[in-house]
Amino acid sequence: DSGVTQTPKHLITATGQRVTLRCSPRSGDLSVYWYQQSLDQGLQFLIHYYNGEERAKGNILERFSAQQFPDLHSELNLSSLELGDSALYFCASSRGDTIYFGEGSWLTVV
Amino acid sequence: AQKVTQAQTEISVVEKEDVTLDCVYETRDTTYYLFWYKQPPSGELVFLIRRNSFDEQNEISGRYSWNFQKSTSSFNFTITASQVVDSAVYFCALSEAGGAQKLVFGQGTRLTINP
Repeated sequence: DSGVTQTPKHLITATGQRVTLRCSPRSGDLSVYWYQQSLDQGLQFLIHYYNGEERAKGNILERFSAQQFPDLHSELNLSSLELGDSALYFCASSRGDTIYFGEGSWLTVV
Repeated sequence: AQKVTQAQTEISVVEKEDVTLDCVYETRDTTYYLFWYKQPPSGELVFLIRRNSFDEQNEISGRYSWNFQKSTSSFNFTITASQVVDSAVYFCALSEAGGAQKLVFGQGTRLTINP
C-alpha cells in the first residue's frame, strides 16, 4: 500500500459526460501528480501540483482540469468525454524525489 | 527531450530462471533520477527503486538487482530465481532532479513467469 488513495476505482460513463476523480496523497506529501495510462499512449504525465499551485503541465487536454485543495487532496475533472478517454488514471504524490502511485481509477467511456 | 526505451515488449521464462529487463534512456540533463516500477495484473504501480545519476553503484535487494551504467545510458533490472509472483509489467522511468519531477516512462516490459 503506497498510502495514496484514489476514488472511484472503477467508473463507466457515457460519451459527452463529465467525471471527477479524487486523490488523497500520502500524509505530509505536498506534491500531487496525475498520469494517464492508455493502450496506445502508454503512461503519460498530465499535471503536477505543489501545495495548491500548479507546477507543470504535460499532455493534458483542454477538456481536462485539475486542482489541489488546501487539505492537499486533488481532483481531476474530465469533461465532454470521448471514447478515447477510456484509460487508467493514476494519482501520485511525493515529498522528496520518489513518486508513489495510487491504485488508479479505471475509466471506461461507452 | 528525455526518452526511455524498453526494447523488450514481452519476456516469458520458466520459474527459477534469472531474467534481465533492459532500459536505455536519453537525457541532456547532467543530474537526473532513474526509477523502476512494477505493475501487477491488479493494475497498481509499485515503486521498486530510485537511482541518482551521480551514484553508479549497483544495488541488490533480495532477488532483485539493478545495474546502472552511465557510459551506455542503461539501467537494467535483473530478477534472480524468478517466481510466478514476479509476473507483471515493469516500467523504467526517468525524471530530472529537483523541481517538477515529471516522470518519462518507457513502454514497459511484460514479464511472464511460468510454473
